[in-house]
Amino acid sequence: KQEVTQIPAALSVPEGENLVLNCSFTDSAIYNLQWFRQDPGKGLTSLLLIQSSQREQTSGRLNASLDKSSGRSTLYIAASQPGDSATYLCAVRPTGSARQLTFGSGTQLTVLP
Amino acid sequence: DGGITQSPKYLFRKEGQNVTLSCEQNLNHDAMYWYRQDPGQGLRLIYYSQIVNDFQKGDIAEGYSVSREKKESFPLTVTSAQKNPTAFYLCASSSTTGKSPLHFGNGTRLTVT
Repeated sequence: KQEVTQIPAALSVPEGENLVLNCSFTDSAIYNLQWFRQDPGKGLTSLLLIQSSQREQTSGRLNASLDKSSGRSTLYIAASQPGDSATYLCAVRPTGSARQLTFGSGTQLTVLP
Repeated sequence: DGGITQSPKYLFRKEGQNVTLSCEQNLNHDAMYWYRQDPGQGLRLIYYSQIVNDFQKGDIAEGYSVSREKKESFPLTVTSAQKNPTAFYLCASSSTTGKSPLHFGNGTRLTVT
C-alpha cells in the first residue's frame, strides 16, 4: 500500500528565504504527483502537477521536482513571502485502473515578516 | 468561473441525525470524490464516482452514502451509523484520465454533538 510522508510537519522561516518542502512515497509505480496549498478552513488549491515522465515543473516562484527511483519529490519556493504561509500537501496517483490519490499529511509553513 | 461549490460551509447536527452535504461542479468533469480531513491527518477517500449512476467505496465508506444522478452533482449523506462524523469534508473533481489536476471545493465543516 502506498504511503506518503511529508517532513517536517511544520516549518517557520523569515521572509525572503528560499525553502524546500519534502515529500516521500513508498511505491515508485506512480502516474503523477501533485502539490497543493491549503489555507486555514479552506479547500485545496492545486499548485503543480508532475507526470511520471517529467523531472520538474515550474510556476512562478515555485518549482517541483520528481525522482521516482528514490521515491521523492521536493517543492522549492523562492524568495518566500508572508502570503506563502499555508499548509502544503503532496499527493501521488498510482498507475493502474484504481488511480485514487494518496495524500501526505502536509507541511505547515509560516513565513515571518 | 468554473469551479466546485460545497454547501453549507458550516453544519451542526445532533447525534443520531442523518445529514446531507452538497457538492456541485461546472467543470464538466466526469470524476468526483469525497474526502474527509481530520487535524494532523492526510485526506482520506470516502467515495468516488467516475460516471453518472455509478460510484465506488473509498477507504472509509462505512457510515456514509452517496448518489450520482447528474454529472454536476455528487451529494454525500453522513448517516447515524458513522461513529465519529465531526470533521472537515472536501469534495473534488477531475477528468477520468487522471492526467489533469484534481480540483477541490472549499469544504464543509460538520460538527455533531
